[in-house]
Amino acid sequence: AQSVTQLGSHVSVSEGALVLLRCNYSSSVPPYLFWYVQYPNQGLQLLLKYTSAATLVKGINGFEAEFKKSETSFHLTKPSAHMSDAAEYFCAVSGLGAQKLVFGQGTRLTINP
Amino acid sequence: NAGVMQNPRHLVRRRGQEARLRCSPMKGHSHVYWYRQLPEEGLKFMVYLQKENIIDESGMPKERFSAEFPKEGPSILRIQQVVRGDSAAYFCASSPGRNNEQFFGPGTRLTVL
Repeated sequence: AQSVTQLGSHVSVSEGALVLLRCNYSSSVPPYLFWYVQYPNQGLQLLLKYTSAATLVKGINGFEAEFKKSETSFHLTKPSAHMSDAAEYFCAVSGLGAQKLVFGQGTRLTINP
Repeated sequence: NAGVMQNPRHLVRRRGQEARLRCSPMKGHSHVYWYRQLPEEGLKFMVYLQKENIIDESGMPKERFSAEFPKEGPSILRIQQVVRGDSAAYFCASSPGRNNEQFFGPGTRLTVL
């Protein structure tokens, strides 16, 4: 069985500040991990994914995430927030051979000017 | 290459009516997934289909819900005798094969009056 916990349903940062969105996972098999972004009334767009290669994964729009097996975490970071980063972010897990994605509850990111 | 297409984007039904949601995967993709997003929640997996086959329907409600992906044409998610609790955003995703990235459509927002 797999599950994802996103700590913090709402995160607010100032423009230019560090963005840190937390994700912890549980998986009985080696996980594949994903971060998706959802803008209002739109579908999900993949930011980045971990599939057992490099533990530090770089994605689009300046985001990156680090897979830490010992902490079962896959936190998303961006050094400097931009107003356009305001959106809902979802962490998801799947496993080799398991096609479905299991999503966390989501974190709504607000950027303050 | 057009992305995943879903129609309608918005659907309003009265209790007891039927809802049909359509999903056209990306060109070359033969794997389709349906997810449901209830208000203020993350996405929940419903069903995974390949052409003419249901591979995993572990997330489908036992009654009133069905899905198909025929040899020709879009995938259809059908909800019979809708109830207010069916109001949600329904997202379709497609991939070219197993263990591939899933590309999401813009979703169909179903409102049951």
